Amino acid sequence: KQEVTQIPAALSVPEGENLVLNCSFTDSAIYNLQWFRQDPGKGLTSLLLIQSSQREQTSGRLNASLDKSSGRSTLYIAASQPGDSATYLCAVNNQAGTALIFGKGTTLSVSS
Amino acid sequence: GAGVSQTPSNKVTEKGKYVELRCDPISGHTALYWYRQSLGQGPEFLIYFQGTGAADDSGLPNDRFFAVRPEGSVSTLKIQRTERGDSAVYLCASSLGTTLTDTQYFGPGTRLTVL
Repeated sequence: KQEVTQIPAALSVPEGENLVLNCSFTDSAIYNLQWFRQDPGKGLTSLLLIQSSQREQTSGRLNASLDKSSGRSTLYIAASQPGDSATYLCAVNNQAGTALIFGKGTTLSVSS
Repeated sequence: GAGVSQTPSNKVTEKGKYVELRCDPISGHTALYWYRQSLGQGPEFLIYFQGTGAADDSGLPNDRFFAVRPEGSVSTLKIQRTERGDSAVYLCASSLGTTLTDTQYFGPGTRLTVL
């Protein structure tokens, strides 16, 4: 059974810092991996999607990497801003390629 | 519409009652998903529709939960004889459905509280 783990559970940093969020998964047979952002009381916003054949994806200050063989992904946020404060969720497509399996998320707080 | 919408945004009910939660997917999206998110947890998959049919309902916790999508657009998640443990945010997502790895777009969720 696929399990997704995110470390750390919470992170507080001052504005301007570069930071890394970690995601690991137990079954490397995935179709893709996505990083989402969730603001309190809101739905999920997709940030980056990495296909299983890809190594990384970039969008603005965000860079996500995927090492499928070791079951790991990282989300790198450059020059963090208070507006980046949110919960970041990692999710993988299960073997059937339909449902997403999520980690519990990392709650990020960026202080000004 | 512009995005996935869900109604109601909040629902408070009493133990044992029946509830219906509605999801309006993005126009043209053939795939629709329901997830449930408990406090401090990531979303957990419930059911996936491709068109009108449930392609994967393996995440439904028991037979009190049922979902329909009669015309391949709007979906309703139905919960019978609600229990306090059903309290959670119920999220709906849709995708184009043309490949197995299309991006899923999520709605804001319905917060269900069972007293």
